[in-house]
Amino acid sequence: GAGVSQTPSNKVTEKGKYVELRCDPISGHTALYWYRQSLGQGPEFLIYFQGTGAADDSGLPNDRFFAVRPEGSVSTLKIQRTERGDSAVYLCASSLTSSRGRGELFFGEGSRLTVL
Amino acid sequence: DAKTTQPTSMDCAEGRAANLPCNHSTISGNEYVYWYRQIHSQGPQYIIHGLKNNETNEMASLIITEDRKSSTLILPHATLRDTAVYYCIVRVGGGVGGATNKLIFGTGTLLAVQP
Repeated sequence: GAGVSQTPSNKVTEKGKYVELRCDPISGHTALYWYRQSLGQGPEFLIYFQGTGAADDSGLPNDRFFAVRPEGSVSTLKIQRTERGDSAVYLCASSLTSSRGRGELFFGEGSRLTVL
Repeated sequence: DAKTTQPTSMDCAEGRAANLPCNHSTISGNEYVYWYRQIHSQGPQYIIHGLKNNETNEMASLIITEDRKSSTLILPHATLRDTAVYYCIVRVGGGVGGATNKLIFGTGTLLAVQP
């Protein structure tokens, strides 16, 4: 489809393991966002890319979290030494950044991470 | 970005209008009001946005008070599929003055449409 695609949809891992979550944005969208959502809470901003560069990473909780977008399209969120508190749904969104747009973010369905 | 205040939950009968309020008393002159909703197990979905005039689209209407300190999202004929968490967010419009489209979500209003 033409929407934002996230893989895997579900990931179960053990405490201390390394995890990668992938996001395929809508073609032509230069901006890409990662959010994290815990049960009963709204999505929490993690990081924003404009093209290949991270324009705002103020939401990354600590240095175990890292994200890349090497070619300005697909992005990978990387979590090292996972902890049980990292369990959440990780949402990716993309958008146009032109002022002609209405500033709408298009979200994927998320990757559910469970750390045992 | 300005903070918003929304009721935690609301009920609405199927076929009736759902009116979801939002307070944003500290909104700045260049900040828009955006509404998104999140159906269970899906990502958030854009509904509508406005600056100071009332807006209507195929999904909903947005009524913004004259002082812009509050707004109401109206779903004119709620259906069971409208059951979701509705988020009211204020921010500078996308692309305006170099601003990003970054959204800061609160906890929203859980709208339960009853049959």
